[in-house]
Amino acid sequence: NAGVTQTPKFRVLKTGQSMTLLCAQDMNHEYMYWYRQDPGMGLRLIHYSVGEGTTAKGEVPDGYNVSRLKKQNFLLGLESAAPSQTSVYFCASGPRAGANVLTFGAGSRLTVL
Amino acid sequence: GQQVMQIPQYQHVQEGEDFTTYCNSSTTLSNIQWYKQRPGGHPVFLIQLVKSGEVKKQKRLTFQFGEAKKNSSLHITATQTTDVGTYFCAGPRSSASKIIFGSGTRLSIRP
Repeated sequence: NAGVTQTPKFRVLKTGQSMTLLCAQDMNHEYMYWYRQDPGMGLRLIHYSVGEGTTAKGEVPDGYNVSRLKKQNFLLGLESAAPSQTSVYFCASGPRAGANVLTFGAGSRLTVL
Repeated sequence: GQQVMQIPQYQHVQEGEDFTTYCNSSTTLSNIQWYKQRPGGHPVFLIQLVKSGEVKKQKRLTFQFGEAKKNSSLHITATQTTDVGTYFCAGPRSSASKIIFGSGTRLSIRP
């Protein structure tokens, strides 16, 4: 049982390039989340999804897009990367509201030059 | 911006000393969760508190949820080097599914 898998683990981009981070969970969870973590800033919610075909904005959604075409996958896209998007990105999933214990992936470290 | 505040931001203690981190929300929370992130790792769920005034223990860790459900604390008795890491509180914001994290408290320990 893999839990939550993120790919890639590391990526270096040039300013203006685009890329997609993939999150896959095998726990049949309804809810999925993308957070970014910067030193001293904790975990900030970018976007989340409460089910297949749904997405919603979090605290810091600008510059990112997401899609949840399949229940088990949640994609985070950067259309035109900026140095301010250099961060560690964590995906998480949870079973349901009210008892929404989150299981995190190992993280994806993104550097934008 | 962050609506769940944690203090202190950093804590450096001698092994064997106690440690406490506090989490304060500007609004009432239906529940609060605590996570631990080891250096270089990912957050791992520790516990969830739901009831007003609830207290739960896990070995040397004691978790409390305030009577008004706006604050919470994590207390570690007699810290060990395995306790090193960052401790986060998290709670639902605006809706039950939107989980917002506090800024975290980083614990380091002198052996």
